[in-house]
Order: sequence, then structure tokens, then C-alpha cells
Amino acid sequence: SAVISQKPSRDICQRGTSLTIQCQVDSQVTMMFWYRQQPGQSLTLIATANQGSEATYESGFVIDKFPISRPNLTFSTLTVSNMSPEDSSIYLCSVATGAAYEQYFGPGTRLTVT
Amino acid sequence: SQKIEQNSEALNIQEGKTATLTCNYTNYSPAYLQWYRQDPGRGPVFLLLIRENEKEKRKERLKVTFDTTLKQSLFHITASQPADSATYLCALGRNSGYALNFGKGTSLLVTP
Repeated sequence: SAVISQKPSRDICQRGTSLTIQCQVDSQVTMMFWYRQQPGQSLTLIATANQGSEATYESGFVIDKFPISRPNLTFSTLTVSNMSPEDSSIYLCSVATGAAYEQYFGPGTRLTVT
Repeated sequence: SQKIEQNSEALNIQEGKTATLTCNYTNYSPAYLQWYRQDPGRGPVFLLLIRENEKEKRKERLKVTFDTTLKQSLFHITASQPADSATYLCALGRNSGYALNFGKGTSLLVTP
């Protein structure tokens, strides 16, 4: 298993600004994922962030809006750029250890854009 | 289009009974299916994984079935307890790797 922390846990931001969310894992993992969970909706995968390669974005998500960094095997950041109220959501990171397919999730970052 | 459907209505059951949650999917051929538990304000927690060539999987009071012909998974919690109250998410794995597609989840409330 893996223990994941995220910072910040919540934030209120103004329209047009950017927020960077950090995800820290207590062990080295190859695969990290970023999800969005909008109110009443399912978790939606934003991108897969593997160390040593560019993030792979899902349909509907672009790098200019959600740039991701993955500098090492225990850390990643997701930036939500030029925010609008529609970006208000919970953002979660998760990891897969590679031994099996299950994922371990962080506690999430609750973002409100005003 | 691909869809994962879970009962949107909350499931209310009495303590000690068996809770059964349903996950139906269309336009998918998942290599595996997973169930997660999510409590308010927390990230999902992995419970069980079942592969496409498996019919049933058990773990303590939990049981998952997977019918690829019906395109359905059933998730059972036997001898349910109030501590089992949470939202349960179904997630389908893609053939190409570890990425998951999630259903919206079903809220379970177990009353004493």
C-alpha cells in the first residue's frame, strides 16, 4: 500500500488565477494519476503522470489548462490554470504500485473558484 | 458511448442484513473491475478487484461477482454494520493499463 498526502486540503481562489496542488507519496511509485470529482459526479481521470515522461491527458483535458509535473517517484503537482467557477471541484491524486491494479488515493483538494 | 451505471438512489438497510449494490456498464470490455469505498471528505479506498475471467471474489464480509455477458457486477456486504455506511464506487480498468473509469457511486446507509 501507499500513504498519500495532498496540499492544500482546500482553497478558495478568484477567477483567472492559478492553483498548484501537491501530491506526496511515502514510497516510490511509477504511476500517478490525477482525478477530478465534481459535485454529484463520478471521479474523472484528468491525466496519468509517469516519472520520466510527459503526462498523458484524457479527452477533454489539455496541458495548458492542467499542467502536471512529476520530478521524481514520490511527488507530483497539478496546476489548475486561469480558473473559472466551473473548475470548482475536488481534485485527487492516486498511485498504482505496479504490483497490482488497485489505486491508492490522497484525501483530495477541495477547490472553490469565485 | 461508454457508460458505467450505479444506482443513484441511496440504499438503506438494517444492520445485520446483506447489502447488494449493482454496477452495470455498456460499450466496455474491461480487463478487470474494482470496488472502492468513499467516506465524506476522503479519497476512495480500494476494496476488491475481480478480473474478466473470474466469476466471484470474496474478502471477509465482502463478495463481488462479475458477469461479462450481462455486463454487470454485484457487490455484497453480508452482516452489514453501521460502520459500513459510505458511498461505494465501481471502477472499470482499461485493457491498456492502470487507468480507471468510475461510476458515480451508490450511497449505503446501515441503520441499527
